[in-house]
Amino acid sequence: DVKVTQSSRYLVKRTGEKVFLECVQDMDHENMFWYRQDPGLGLRLIYFSYDVKMKEKGDIPEGYSVSREKKERFSLILESASTNQTSMYLCASIQRGSPLHFGNGTRLTVT
Amino acid sequence: DAKTTQPPSMDCAEGRAANLPCNHSTISGNEYVYWYRQIHSQGPQYIIHGLKNNETNEMASLIITEDRKSSTLILPHATLRDTAVYYCIVRVASRDDKIIFGKGTRLHILP
Repeated sequence: DVKVTQSSRYLVKRTGEKVFLECVQDMDHENMFWYRQDPGLGLRLIYFSYDVKMKEKGDIPEGYSVSREKKERFSLILESASTNQTSMYLCASIQRGSPLHFGNGTRLTVT
Repeated sequence: DAKTTQPPSMDCAEGRAANLPCNHSTISGNEYVYWYRQIHSQGPQYIIHGLKNNETNEMASLIITEDRKSSTLILPHATLRDTAVYYCIVRVASRDDKIIFGKGTRLHILP
């Protein structure tokens, strides 16, 4: 079975801190994604990557950046965390033609 | 923007069939319909997908209309464990996937 692992289940950070959310997949998948999930808004795509060092903006990239230095790892970076970035963050990976596989999420609270 | 629309919530009695509709009127010929569900505090889980023909697996059945503009996910004998948010998405199985989710349908199974 594909495993997508997010490094933290819960995270509390202060406003202005730089925050790294890490995601690792173990199936050599090409594409990886970061979503955020908020009540009533569903899943919204922040960034995705289709190869090492390649990235594309999703629907809500403002305030975020990403890094994909290795195929198995996709990091989401909040350069200066703000309270409106308090959310559930979900990482996913996919091989072309196959279903998405999600991690269990990181619930980030920015105070 | 999401290419699918779903009712925000539905109720179904335990033991009955749950029929979850999804509208995708602008679907392209090479786009598949995928269904996922998300149980509280977990990442979304793949259920089933299809292109034109109806599909069935151990979890559910997928009925796609002939014009492909809508589909229905059927859980044949709903149990309390099927209480979840169900997402319908459309996507092309190509390299540069930008996979967009909508807000999904919150399914309540009533005892």
